[in-house]
Amino acid sequence: EPEVTQTPSHQVTQMGQEVILRCVPISNHLYFYWYRQILGQKVEFLVSFYNNEISEKSEIFDDQFSVERPDGSNFTLKIRSTKLEDSAMYFCASRSFNSYNEQFFGPGTRLTVL
Amino acid sequence: KNEVEQSPQNLTAQEGEFITINCSYSVGISALHWLQQHPGGGIVSLFMLSSGKKKHGRLIATINIQEKHSSLHITASHPRDSAVYICAVFRSNTGNQFYFGTGTSLTVIP
Repeated sequence: EPEVTQTPSHQVTQMGQEVILRCVPISNHLYFYWYRQILGQKVEFLVSFYNNEISEKSEIFDDQFSVERPDGSNFTLKIRSTKLEDSAMYFCASRSFNSYNEQFFGPGTRLTVL
Repeated sequence: KNEVEQSPQNLTAQEGEFITINCSYSVGISALHWLQQHPGGGIVSLFMLSSGKKKHGRLIATINIQEKHSSLHITASHPRDSAVYICAVFRSNTGNQFYFGTGTSLTVIP
């Protein structure tokens, strides 16, 4: 069964460093999402992406964040200068054009900022 | 104010017990999801509901659109059911994003 994959599973970085989190959505999906879950808190929406542009973003998704679909398969989230409070689990999700309500989640990348 | 509220926050049950987790929401939705998150962190979608009731194995999910309420039931609970169960709604007028509840942490004791 097709699935969303994410790499790495765990990333440790120093404060101020740039990180890129990678996702490979399901191959025929057209809508892509990033979510964040700080330890002990609820999952929060960051950004949605369609047709090579951001379609919606939350207040969390400030200028330090960017997303890109550099090729036909990868979807990346870049944090330019990480802060301690960026430590969280980051989930990628994707959905097909027809499946308006159903998203498939990746296993997540745990980001630890020291 | 959270658009999605879950109860209880934490639940401990003996193996074999019938379990109910509740979700209330305050906004118009086009669908509601029940998700399962295991200690490793990965999220799995259990159900997507827009009306009525769905059953999958020992899991049953119901939704009452008029009352803006959904329940997830687990029959004959088992220790492997121990996980965080999250209610998430897909809002009617935002188009593209989920709003998540805070989750219910379930522990089933053998």
